[in-house]
Amino acid sequence: NAGVTQTPKFRVLKTGQSMTLLCAQDMNHEYMYWYRQDPGMGLRLIHYSVGEGTTAKGEVPDGYNVSRLKKQNFLLGLESAAPSQTSVYFCASRLGGTGAYEQYFGPGTRLTVT
Amino acid sequence: AQSVTQPDIHITVSEGASLELRCNYSYGATPYLFWYVQSPGQGLQLLLKYFSGDTLVQGIKGFEAEFKRSQSSFNLRKPSVHWSDAAEYFCAVGFTSGTYKYIFGTGTRLKVLA
Repeated sequence: NAGVTQTPKFRVLKTGQSMTLLCAQDMNHEYMYWYRQDPGMGLRLIHYSVGEGTTAKGEVPDGYNVSRLKKQNFLLGLESAAPSQTSVYFCASRLGGTGAYEQYFGPGTRLTVT
Repeated sequence: AQSVTQPDIHITVSEGASLELRCNYSYGATPYLFWYVQSPGQGLQLLLKYFSGDTLVQGIKGFEAEFKRSQSSFNLRKPSVHWSDAAEYFCAVGFTSGTYKYIFGTGTRLKVLA
């Protein structure tokens, strides 16, 4: 049981390049989330998904796209990277429904855009 | 608007001393409340959560937290800190209806002196 995994762990991009971050979970969780973490700002929600084939915008969605084609995977895309997207990105998942379900986090992806 | 405040950015304590990390929230009802810990270079790990019932909740690693409705607070405590507790701590709020999102505080970085 690997929990939540993220690929890659580190990446350096040049401005304007594109990339996709992959999140995978093996806990059969309905809900998945993408956050970015910046110093002094905590975690900010980029996009989330409440089920296969569904996505929704979070607090800071601009410049990112997501897809949830399979229940276990949640992809985060950067179409044209900007230095402001330099950050650590975390994926999380949780059970569905309205209960007090905690989120399970992946180890993070450190992205640098030069 | 819903919000979470962790007023202390940094806290330094001596090993063996007691610890209290503050968390205040703004929400019209009782939310679900969580404390997470993040060690350097790692993802977030759940310490404890509150959703109803006894307002004093016990978590892992000897941590506890007390929910005080009148103060809209959910402070984290530990009677005797160990050097391995040095990390960043995040308070998070989940909402009981209408959204599947969570709001995280900006974090408190704990330093432990030997």
